[in-house]
Parts: sequence; structure tokens; C-alpha cells
Amino acid sequence: GQQVMQIPQYQHVQEGEDFTTYCNSSTTLSNIQWYKQRPGGHPVFLIQLVKSGEVKKQKRLTFQFGEAKKNSSLHITATQTTDVGTYFCAGAGNTPLVFGKGTRLSVIA
Amino acid sequence: DAGITQSPRHKVTETGTPVTLRCHQTENHRYMYWYRQDPGHGLRLIHYSYGVKDTDKGEVSDGYSVSRSKTEDFLLTLESATSSQTSVYFCAISVAGPDEQYFGPGTRLTVT
Repeated sequence: GQQVMQIPQYQHVQEGEDFTTYCNSSTTLSNIQWYKQRPGGHPVFLIQLVKSGEVKKQKRLTFQFGEAKKNSSLHITATQTTDVGTYFCAGAGNTPLVFGKGTRLSVIA
Repeated sequence: DAGITQSPRHKVTETGTPVTLRCHQTENHRYMYWYRQDPGHGLRLIHYSYGVKDTDKGEVSDGYSVSRSKTEDFLLTLESATSSQTSVYFCAISVAGPDEQYFGPGTRLTVT
């Protein structure tokens, strides 16, 4: 079945450094979504990418969808302590959304 | 936040007992989902529903059953709880299958 791999599993950064997490699907996706989960909280939808090669920005966050619609990335510029949490990608194909295992981001002030 | 509530929010139960978790939405969305979240495994789909009385299995459905008799409620039942079902359970809703999902606050279940 469809699998979504996400790396790295953990990332520790100094405040102000950049951060990137990568997502790869075993199959071509109709869209890819990104979610953020704060410690002790529930996943919160951030964005959906639909088009091949699409790039979207939300303030310091940049999301990309690969040309083959099988991979994606989330890049955070100049991390802040408010960015702490786990970031999940989720791929939509012929099945319900399949979530990656997430990247847990720690920011050291 | 989307109008999703889960009950109970915390539960401790003994091995072998039945447990039912409830998800309630006020958004009238067609799709509802149950996930479990465990360290190192991310979010894994247990069951989902695409309408009243329409449900299907997810990745980790063994030991779980669901029911949806009303649009707003989606119940998850552990017929005979085991320690391996200790987890945090999230309910989610969406307008359509591939659409973004909105999650409830979660239920922390401990099976002793």
C-alpha cells in the first residue's frame, strides 16, 4: 500500500537557524498536506499542495511539492521557540490520507 | 478550532474490559476518522467513515470496531482492551476524502 516516509525523525536547532523536513511517497499523490502538532496538543492543518512543482509560503514557512508529485518539503527560516513541535506530512492518493511519522523540532533559545 | 469534541479525554481501564470512545462534530462533515498515535509510529488510521452507516478499515483495525448512526457521532469500540491498545486516540473530520482534516483534542487511554 501507499507509504509516506519523512526525515529526519528529530531535529534540534539553535533559535535563528533554518530547519527543513522532507517527505517522500511511494506513489504519485493527488495532493500533499502538512500539519503541526505542539507538545501535548492535536495535529493542526497548515497547508495543502496540489500542483506539480508548487511552492507556497506562510510567513517564515516555505512548502514545496515535487515535480513528480511524490515528494515535498517544509522549510522554516530563522526558527523561533514558537516553532517547536512535530511536523507531519500527509499524502492523498487512492486511499485515505497517509501520514508520515513526523519530524520533531526542538529549538534551543 | 473545528467543532470536534472527544469523550472521555482520559481513561484508565483494565485488560479485557470493553471501552467506547466518542467523537462528536458540529460541522456536519461527511468524513470522520479514528487514529491512534504512538511514539515512533506517528498517526495510524484505525477506521474511517464516509457517511452514516458507511465505514471502512484503516491500517490498524484489528481489535477495534466503529459505528456511525448519526452524521455527528462516530464511536470507536475496543471489544476487549489489551495493553497494546494503550495510546492517544484522535478523531478527525473532513469534507471529502482527500481534503484537509481537522482533529479533535484526543483521548488518552491506558490499559492496565
